[in-house]
Amino acid sequence: QSVLTQPPSASGTPGQRVTISCSGSSSNIRDNSVNWYQQFPGVAPKLLIYSNNQRPSGVPDRFSGSKSGTSASLAISGLQSEDEADYYCSAWDDSLNGVIFGGGTKLTVL
Amino acid sequence: EVQLLESGGGLVQPGGSLRLSCTASGFIFSSYAMSWVRQAPGKGLEWVSIISSSGGSIYNADSVKGRFTISRDKSKNTLDLQMNSLRVEDTAIYYCARAIDTSGISIIWGYWGQGTLVTVSS
Repeated sequence: QSVLTQPPSASGTPGQRVTISCSGSSSNIRDNSVNWYQQFPGVAPKLLIYSNNQRPSGVPDRFSGSKSGTSASLAISGLQSEDEADYYCSAWDDSLNGVIFGGGTKLTVL
Repeated sequence: EVQLLESGGGLVQPGGSLRLSCTASGFIFSSYAMSWVRQAPGKGLEWVSIISSSGGSIYNADSVKGRFTISRDKSKNTLDLQMNSLRVEDTAIYYCARAIDTSGISIIWGYWGQGTLVTVSS
């Protein structure tokens, strides 16, 4: 069972805006930054959002992140078929003294 | 260009040992914290271990404490993971990952290797 809770699945149609939530606690999300990763089948994860809302170079501005209290969200606007992938949130946990991941959300573009 | 190349995966019996290596190139290896992250077949990501740029700070997931040891060799630009007392549940693809910045023990993993598969089975 993951310490960070994500919905196992999400979906949307092309052009729509989709959000994926990541729920944690005071020992992780509230007091530490959240990072998001995108992963396609059979390949390594890719950093999508870091420090709650920062985009690495090359990541389209359709992707955005936010954090409030013990929860974080990843938003994808103007959904495209190539966005169909698994998405993971992660953060440092002060109680566990380590990194925790959400269970992952499989995004389907209908 | 940053490159991370894992090696050492394979089939091992429960209770056995295996040593993974990650050879780094394209950057100043000694400046960055490095991590191991694994993914069991069909499952999500699980952080395993992290080592600071100097090697002076190490953190491990509870699931591998006392069994896995992370280390780094700046002369060879390699990151290692010594895995002992392996269990069936350790079966996974093991990725090495590098942070995007040099601050402390950064867990913002902007660079990943292609992964190496470890299978623990009798």
